[in-house]
Amino acid sequence: GIQVEQSPPDLILQEGANSTLRCNFSDSVNNLQWFHQNPWGQLINLFYIPSGTKQNGRLSATTVATERYSLLYISSSQTTDSGVYFCAGTYQGAQKLVFGQGTRLTINP
Amino acid sequence: GAGVSQSPRYKVAKRGQDVALRCDPISGHVSLFWYQQALGQGPEFLTYFQNEAQLDKSGLPSDRFFAERPEGSVSTLKIQRTQQEDSAVYLCASLTGQRRWETQYFGPGTRLLVL
Repeated sequence: GIQVEQSPPDLILQEGANSTLRCNFSDSVNNLQWFHQNPWGQLINLFYIPSGTKQNGRLSATTVATERYSLLYISSSQTTDSGVYFCAGTYQGAQKLVFGQGTRLTINP
Repeated sequence: GAGVSQSPRYKVAKRGQDVALRCDPISGHVSLFWYQQALGQGPEFLTYFQNEAQLDKSGLPSDRFFAERPEGSVSTLKIQRTQQEDSAVYLCASLTGQRRWETQYFGPGTRLLVL
């Protein structure tokens, strides 16, 4: 079946800490992506990462496609990093996305 | 504006009322998606348009949900005889449709509360 599972569901950290978010996905899911949903509900694409590693500032992502998992790393967390992080992928050769349940990240000052 | 816009941003409806939610995609974007996001959950696919053609409506939860995009730009999601379980954020996304894969640009969503 189509499965996208994220862990942990919640993460509370102090400003300056590092964090790792994990996404496991079934073999029917492709084109793995990471999104950030800010406290006002806006979803922003962070990475398109079907395999390999990408970095953008304090954020980086790695997908090991053969083992069906992806990791999102956030270094030196800031309060503005708070929100919900989703991984998502496509399936059935279409561009509609299937999302995980999200990881709610809270960065305290 | 340059992004996807949605209106209204908030809607409170009494159970049984009909509602209409509007999405203005990025100008020139061929593909348009609607997603439903329940509280504490990830977005779930509802329906997909390519220009004015509704190519996939497999995610619509019931025949009370109807979507249209008559001129291939603005889209409207209509919910008839709303029920409490329809309370959710409804997200619209668009993309150019010109590449094999590209990111989806999401609007701010419409938060629907059915009382």
